[in-house]
Amino acid sequence: IQLTQSPSSLSASVGDRVTITCRASQGIGSYLAWYQQKPGKAPKLLIYGASTLESGVPSRFSGSGSGTDFTLTISSLQPEDFATYHCQQVKSYPLTFGGGTKVEVK
Amino acid sequence: EVQLLESGGGLVQPGGSLRLSCAASGFDFSSQAMTWVRQAPGKGLEWVSFISASGGTTFYADSVKGRFTISRDNSENTLYLQMDSLRAEDTAVFYCATNLRTPPNYFDYCGQGTLVTVSS
Repeated sequence: IQLTQSPSSLSASVGDRVTITCRASQGIGSYLAWYQQKPGKAPKLLIYGASTLESGVPSRFSGSGSGTDFTLTISSLQPEDFATYHCQQVKSYPLTFGGGTKVEVK
Repeated sequence: EVQLLESGGGLVQPGGSLRLSCAASGFDFSSQAMTWVRQAPGKGLEWVSFISASGGTTFYADSVKGRFTISRDNSENTLYLQMDSLRAEDTAVFYCATNLRTPPNYFDYCGQGTLVTVSS
């Protein structure tokens, strides 16, 4: 199952609403996760089951979608949110990740 | 405190071998499935391999099948990845990961990673 993220990068300012999309090559139900990764660090789980917020993750992060189209939204971008975001499907092996979306300072 | 500590990375020539280790602590390792994920420099994440809690079930990415072997020693709380016939395209940071509080394959815990460089 291929995952296509868009955009591959975006520039935004603190306070902006940011939306990242992930499209699966076939239906995966709600078997999708979102991770945040900062340079030199391991990925951090933000959302699983397409919309369930991982414990400790700020509520400005939200996920939606099912089937083939998914969205990660950051309602008001904070300085610590500049990072790369990855989607991942767990519907079937081999597990796959999207290509990543880098959120940069505008 | 949950810890996953990878080691064993380094520089190896094409065609060579390397064994990665992931030392686990702070949870019941013998009850947890484990996974290796890698990330080539400047690239996205790639799932590499899975092993069940008992070690009886394993899965591999097509890109490593037949060359990599995942294993575990539950008495030593350690996960391994034996990597043979290494290629330049295997150059990556390798992470071990697991799910402790989330459903299967959603990785709420990852190690800090170990860098493997395949080059002559």
